Amino acid sequence: GAVVSQHPSWVICKSGTSVKIECRSLDFQATTMFWYRQFPKQSLMLMATSNEGSKATYEQGVEKDKFLINHASLTLSTLTVTSAHPEDSSFYICSATRLAGGLYNEQFFGPGTRLTVL
Amino acid sequence: AQRVTQPEKLLSVFKGAPVELKCNYSYSGSPELFWYVQYSRQRLQLLLRHISRESIKGFTADLNKGETSFHLKKPFAQEEDSAMYYCALSQGGGGNKLTFGTGTQLKVEL
Repeated sequence: GAVVSQHPSWVICKSGTSVKIECRSLDFQATTMFWYRQFPKQSLMLMATSNEGSKATYEQGVEKDKFLINHASLTLSTLTVTSAHPEDSSFYICSATRLAGGLYNEQFFGPGTRLTVL
Repeated sequence: AQRVTQPEKLLSVFKGAPVELKCNYSYSGSPELFWYVQYSRQRLQLLLRHISRESIKGFTADLNKGETSFHLKKPFAQEEDSAMYYCALSQGGGGNKLTFGTGTQLKVEL
């Protein structure tokens, strides 16, 4: 159990368009979902923390109007990159924690989405 | 602010040799430390966490608060250990946000 999926796995778009990435917990309900960004050969950088039914909490330096996060249900969070530009090209990864995690809430990671903006 | 440092980008060892992947951290409170692993073409997955003090796939890691380190060790490397390893820190509970190190690519050669 505890599988997280992302869709699409890769996307190429033109500069100025918006792209939506979905993150789903397939076999569990997720209290919290996290969105990360990873540049080539670099570490994962947390972008925002998303709780179901409330506004996402963004990390310092992350533009909330550019990276719109919606967490409408306990199994789905979406990240929309608005008016994408080439510098937004990156690998976007989500993770989710279980609703009933007990003392420790492990994060389960999705496979990532490769975004390329032309 | 918390910070995680993995000084080695690449570590190459021979099969059967001991492995030590270094991780140092800075955090003013009581952190929780984790090691995540990413095998080729697979997603990131938890390897072990310091609070459970367990050995997974022969790997162990001890939190040394005096040296602010959480090095990952395995006495005898196997070919299937080749992967990217990330050290991560949480302020409290794995469900809280994680700060990752830059990762170390482990390559086990025959």
